Amino acid sequence: QLVLTQSPSASASLGASVKLTCTLSSGHSSYAIAWHQQQPEKGPRYLMKLNSDGSHIKGDGIPDRFSGSSSGAERYLTISSLQSEDEADYYCQTWGTGIQVFGGGTKLTVL
Amino acid sequence: QLQLQESGPGLVKPSETLSLTCTVSGGSISSTSYYWGWIRQPPGKGLEWIGSIYYSGSTYYNPSLKSRVTISVDTSKNQFSLKLSSVTAADTAVYYCARQPSYRYSGSYYGSAFDIWGQGTMVTVSS
Repeated sequence: QLVLTQSPSASASLGASVKLTCTLSSGHSSYAIAWHQQQPEKGPRYLMKLNSDGSHIKGDGIPDRFSGSSSGAERYLTISSLQSEDEADYYCQTWGTGIQVFGGGTKLTVL
Repeated sequence: QLQLQESGPGLVKPSETLSLTCTVSGGSISSTSYYWGWIRQPPGKGLEWIGSIYYSGSTYYNPSLKSRVTISVDTSKNQFSLKLSSVTAADTAVYYCARQPSYRYSGSYYGSAFDIWGQGTMVTVSS
C-alpha cells in the first residue's frame, strides 16, 4: 500500500535552516513526490516535484531558499534562511496508477 | 496564467448531493498534458484526494469515496465538476480543484503532482 509518513511538527529559529522529511512506504522508494506549502488560512501552494535521484523542479516563483533532496525512501524539503512567512503546514504528495496520496502534513513553527 | 476557481453551494443538507464546479481560465482543459483533480480538507485536518479526470472523461477515484463520487468534464465550458452523494457532517470541508500534469504508463494516462490549485470553497453539511 502506497503511504507517505511525515512528522506532525517541526520548529526552527528565524534565519536558520530546517529539513522536513517525507517517507515512502516499503516497496515504493523509487517514487517521485511533490511538496506543497499551506500558510495559515490559505490554500495549498505547489513548491516542487522531487524525484528519487534528488533532482527537482520547482514551481513558478518559489525562492531558492527551498530545495529538495532524496535518500532511499526518504524525501526531504530543506528551507534555508527561515523567514516568518515560512511558518506553515507542509504536505508531501505522491501518485501511482490510479491513485493519489498525501502525507499527514508537518506543521513548521518559526521561532 | 492558468487559474482555477471553485464554485457551488456553501451549505448542503445531510443525505443530499454536494455539487461543485471548477472553472479553468487562462488555458484549455482539453490539453492532453493534464489531468484535473478534486481534493478536500476538513477543518483542522489534512488534505484528502477525492478523484481526478482527463479531458477525455477518463476518471479515477479515492477508493474510500468511490461509491459516492462522480467527476465529469465539460470541455465546451472549460469546466469540470464534482458530485458527492449522501453527504454527512463528515463531508464538511474546504474543497479544492487543481491541475495535474499527466504521464503515460502501460498505454494509459494518469495524473501526477497537483501543480496549480484553486483557492478553495468551504462546504458545510448541516440541516
